[in-house]
Amino acid sequence: SAVISQKPSRDICQRGTSLTIQCQVDSQVTMMFWYRQQPGQSLTLIATANQGSEATYESGFVIDKFPISRPNLTFSTLTVSNMSPEDSSIYLCSVDTSYNEQFFGPGTRLTVL
Amino acid sequence: GESVGLHLPTLSVQEGDNSIINCAYSNSASDYFIWYKQESGKGPQFIIDIRSNMDKRQGQRVTVLLNKTVKHLSLQIAATQPGDSAVYFCAEIPSGSARQLTFGSGTQLTVLP
Repeated sequence: SAVISQKPSRDICQRGTSLTIQCQVDSQVTMMFWYRQQPGQSLTLIATANQGSEATYESGFVIDKFPISRPNLTFSTLTVSNMSPEDSSIYLCSVDTSYNEQFFGPGTRLTVL
Repeated sequence: GESVGLHLPTLSVQEGDNSIINCAYSNSASDYFIWYKQESGKGPQFIIDIRSNMDKRQGQRVTVLLNKTVKHLSLQIAATQPGDSAVYFCAEIPSGSARQLTFGSGTQLTVLP
């Protein structure tokens, strides 16, 4: 298993600003992912954070809006840029330690006013 | 614009009864199917998985059934306890997806005293 922490746990932000969310894992992992969970809904994959190269984004998500960094095998950041109320969601990072076992962080609850 | 959250399907069971949570999936070429439990304010927690070449797998108090003919997955929880109250998501790992998860819509399970 893996222990994952996220910072901040929650934030309230103004429209037009940006927020950077940090994800820290207690062990080196190959695969790290970022998900969005809109209110009352399921999880949607934003991107795969690749160490040493650009993130791989899913359809509907772009680097300008959600820039991602992955400087090493234990850490990643997701920035939500130029926020609007529609960005209010829970943002979760996850890692997998084997092909079929993926662990999630506690999430960052973002509210945009 | 205004965003409208989906209302998750709900299931209410009496404490001590068995629970059955269902999920329909669309991708017939998935390698693994996984059940996650998400408690309020937390990230999803891995419960049990099943490989696509299996029909049934049992864990502690939980059983997952896979019916590939009708693309249906179910999670059975025996002797449901108050601590089982949560949202349950099924997820799949499509073949060749580099281990990204595709989540189903989720079911809110409420255990009644």
